[in-house]
Amino acid sequence: NAGVMQNPRHLVRRRGQEARLRCSPMKGHSHVYWYRQLPEEGLKFMVYLQKENIIDESGMPKERFSAEFPKEGPSILRIQQVVRGDSAAYFCASSPPNQNYEAFFGQGTRLTVV
Amino acid sequence: DQQVKQNSPSLSVQEGRISILNCDYTNSMFDYFLWYKKYPAEGPTFLISISSIKDKNEDGRFTVFLNKSAKHLSLHIVPSQPGDSAVYFCAASARGGGSNYKLTFGKGTLLTVNP
Repeated sequence: NAGVMQNPRHLVRRRGQEARLRCSPMKGHSHVYWYRQLPEEGLKFMVYLQKENIIDESGMPKERFSAEFPKEGPSILRIQQVVRGDSAAYFCASSPPNQNYEAFFGQGTRLTVV
Repeated sequence: DQQVKQNSPSLSVQEGRISILNCDYTNSMFDYFLWYKKYPAEGPTFLISISSIKDKNEDGRFTVFLNKSAKHLSLHIVPSQPGDSAVYFCAASARGGGSNYKLTFGKGTLLTVNP
């Protein structure tokens, strides 16, 4: 029973490039959440998605960040024109329907912007 | 504005002794609290939770205590083992509200258990 799978584990991008982070939820889970952990900080909620729907994106920066969870395939967190301040660990979590208060986390993608 | 605070960045204890990790919160809408454990280069792993209708929840070596009037919770690990060495995050959510899925995390406490 595979857990939440995130790839890549590490991603290096130059300033101005695009970063795409992928998340495949646990089997049977239809809810996906993205969190960001900046250095020396706790995890901060970014966005909550269900299949083909963004439910809550209140934690997402207004510009350059977008997320999707298509009918088929993984959820994607996309960061356009990355800046140094985007360097962080990005964690995806998933939960089954009707039990969205205990989420299971993936191993994270560590984004480094150089 | 930190709604969940873990004021001790680190804690060191001897193997076999009790570890007590503390967490304070400010948002009175929070009614569900969780502890996550995180090893380096891995994602957080759920450890134990407690609903605001309880003041204690126990699971093996792990016990969480909730003091609602003080807006304080603590995680007790006894006896502590070297494998418990990790960063521990306290998290809270408002299950009674419209955003019960949203976890608010503290900054974490690094626990080191010395053999």
